Amino acid sequence: NAGVTQTPKFQVLKTGQSMTLQCAQDMNHNSMYWYRQDPGMGLRLIYYSASEGTTDKGEVPNGYNVSRLNKREFSLRLESAAPSQTSVYFCASRTTFPGQLAEYTRETQYFGPGTRLLVL
Amino acid sequence: RKEVEQDPGPFNVPEGATVAFNCTYSNSASQSFFWYRQDCRKEPKLLMSVYSSGNEDGRFTAQLNRASQYISLLIRDSKLSDSATYLCVVNGGGADGLTFGKGTHLIIQP
Repeated sequence: NAGVTQTPKFQVLKTGQSMTLQCAQDMNHNSMYWYRQDPGMGLRLIYYSASEGTTDKGEVPNGYNVSRLNKREFSLRLESAAPSQTSVYFCASRTTFPGQLAEYTRETQYFGPGTRLLVL
Repeated sequence: RKEVEQDPGPFNVPEGATVAFNCTYSNSASQSFFWYRQDCRKEPKLLMSVYSSGNEDGRFTAQLNRASQYISLLIRDSKLSDSATYLCVVNGGGADGLTFGKGTHLIIQP
C-alpha cells in the first residue's frame, strides 16, 4: 500500500514548455486534489475531482488542466509553463467516515510527496 | 471566500515548554476541523481532528470554540522533534476538500 504517489519529484522547464504531473492513489478513495504551495501563500487548491469522471476548478485553475483517468489516477497538465507556475505541487486523496453528527465525521486527506517545479 | 487565519510565527520555544497556537476561521458553516503538521520540504500530514468537546492525544490537546470561530492546539512538554509548521484546516462540508491556513512555524530549541 503505497498511499499517494507523484511523479516526477523534480522538474525544470523553460517558459512555454508543457508537462504533465502524474498522481496515483491505491486507497480506493473517490476524491482527489491538486494543490500548489508557495512561500507565504499556503496551500491553494488548483483542481479537484470528487469522483471518477468529474473534475472542478479550485481557487487557482488558470494555466492548468486536469484529467481523472480512472479512480486511481489524477493528472495535472501545464500546457505552456510560465515562471509564475514555479511552485511545489501536491496531489492528495480523501476519505470520509460520516459520524452520526457532522462534527464527528472523521476525515483524512492523504498527500503525495510533492513535485518541485522550476520554470525558467 | 472561506478563510483560515493563523499567526505565522516563528514561535521559538525551549525544549520542555508548553506552546499554544490559535487559528480563526470565517465560514460559520464549517463542519470539520483539523490540525496538520508539515515538516520542511515534506507533505502535510494529519496530526489530529478537532471535536467540539475538545480532544487530547498524548502531549497534544485541541479545542474548538464555535461561537468565536477559533481552534487551538496545545503542545505540552515540547520535544525537538515537534519543530515543524502546523496547519489549521477547516472543511466546509463540500466536495472541494479542505481549506488550509498558511501555517504556524514552530522551532523547539535545546
